[in-house]
Amino acid sequence: QQQVKQSPQSLIVQKGGISIINCAYENTAFDYFPWYQQFPGKGPALLIAIRPDVSEKKEGRFTISFNKSAKQFSLHIMDSQPGDSATYFCAARGTASKLTFGTGTRLQVTL
Amino acid sequence: EAGVVQSPRYKIIEKKQPVAFWCNPISGHNTLYWYLQNLGQGPELLIRYENEEAVDDSQLPKDRFSAERLKGVDSTLKIQPAELGDSAVYLCASSKTSNEQFFGPGTRLTVL
Repeated sequence: QQQVKQSPQSLIVQKGGISIINCAYENTAFDYFPWYQQFPGKGPALLIAIRPDVSEKKEGRFTISFNKSAKQFSLHIMDSQPGDSATYFCAARGTASKLTFGTGTRLQVTL
Repeated sequence: EAGVVQSPRYKIIEKKQPVAFWCNPISGHNTLYWYLQNLGQGPELLIRYENEEAVDDSQLPKDRFSAERLKGVDSTLKIQPAELGDSAVYLCASSKTSNEQFFGPGTRLTVL
């Protein structure tokens, strides 16, 4: 059973544009929502994370928006750069600190 | 600070053969995870260790998969015998707290 749904599957954004990736979850027991960035041949790396008692968190060009009532959260990448081209995974932490990952979004930032 | 080390990076074997993957976590990280990542999918937890104890192995296919972390540091994941459907990337991660998990580069397994 997929507990974290992620969309879109792929995304093409022009340099300088805003990239938006969305995730939805079902389990209200999730208490921590990280986003991971993965480059080809590398393992995922933590990008930014949020707890459900906060509606927004910003770190540089990366912002998480969190809607607890809708059970949705999203990643916004402002001023997207070619170096941001990677696969992005949302995740949610449940019982016993287990992370459940979304299916990933392949982002391509074009010049 | 050195990251999570995994070896080998790539492995090609024929079906029914055994295979083993090795992981050395970040120094001081007592929690170690093995994940399976299929192409185009997110990582899926196979097993989690707290020191040398496997505290969550509910997703580990125990008929062919086994893992160990004897001294609470490095760990080995084994598949015997491998099947075609086991072709994937096997990721190891470690953490010091329950928040941030640090991932290794993974081992890409191809079963022919």
